[in-house]
Amino acid sequence: AQKVTQAQTEISVVEKEDVTLDCVYETRDTTYYLFWYKQPPSGELVFLIRRNSFDEQNEISGRYSWNFQKSTSSFNFTITASQVVDSAVYFCALSAFTSGTYKYIFGTGTRLKVLA
Amino acid sequence: DSGVTQTPKHLITATGQRVTLRCSPRSGDLSVYWYQQSLDQGLQFLIQYYNGEERAKGNILERFSAQQFPDLHSELNLSSLELGDSALYFCASSPTGTGALGYTFGSGTRLTVV
Repeated sequence: AQKVTQAQTEISVVEKEDVTLDCVYETRDTTYYLFWYKQPPSGELVFLIRRNSFDEQNEISGRYSWNFQKSTSSFNFTITASQVVDSAVYFCALSAFTSGTYKYIFGTGTRLKVLA
Repeated sequence: DSGVTQTPKHLITATGQRVTLRCSPRSGDLSVYWYQQSLDQGLQFLIQYYNGEERAKGNILERFSAQQFPDLHSELNLSSLELGDSALYFCASSPTGTGALGYTFGSGTRLTVV
């Protein structure tokens, strides 16, 4: 079975603090893809990053960084020096080929509130 | 602008009615996915079409149906609407049938059933 768990329902931080959003996934497939999406208060879903299962290199993009660890089935997302504009719901997602079809599963999301 | 167009943006209708949501994928994308986002359910996958054919099915109710047309736009039909169908409905598109390259989401249609 495939599953994505975002155990943190809501996180509040003060501006300029660093914050890490956790994502734990389950899949039996050896080839899969992991994603993070951002949903700001305006409602749209914005693609942030994609990582395939064969690439465990961490990635940094500005204030954002992602830590992919297959050993712990985790794909965590860190925002450094958070800003109020980072306030949003963040979703982790998994795409894998299972039972003859691709399944794309989202976690339940983590609501991040960055306070000024 | 993500390149995925959803219409209408907002829809208010009464219980028992039928509505059609429309999605035009990003240019070049062959797959269209429909998701329902309600307050207590998160993002629920409904259905995927790839190049006109149904590719995968999720938790889509029998009262709901969808199709993808030759020009690749898609419509999601919701009938016999209930209060619980009130949600944000997202369409997403991707170049392939796997979603491996990630989705591009539209801005959603907010459906309110009264």
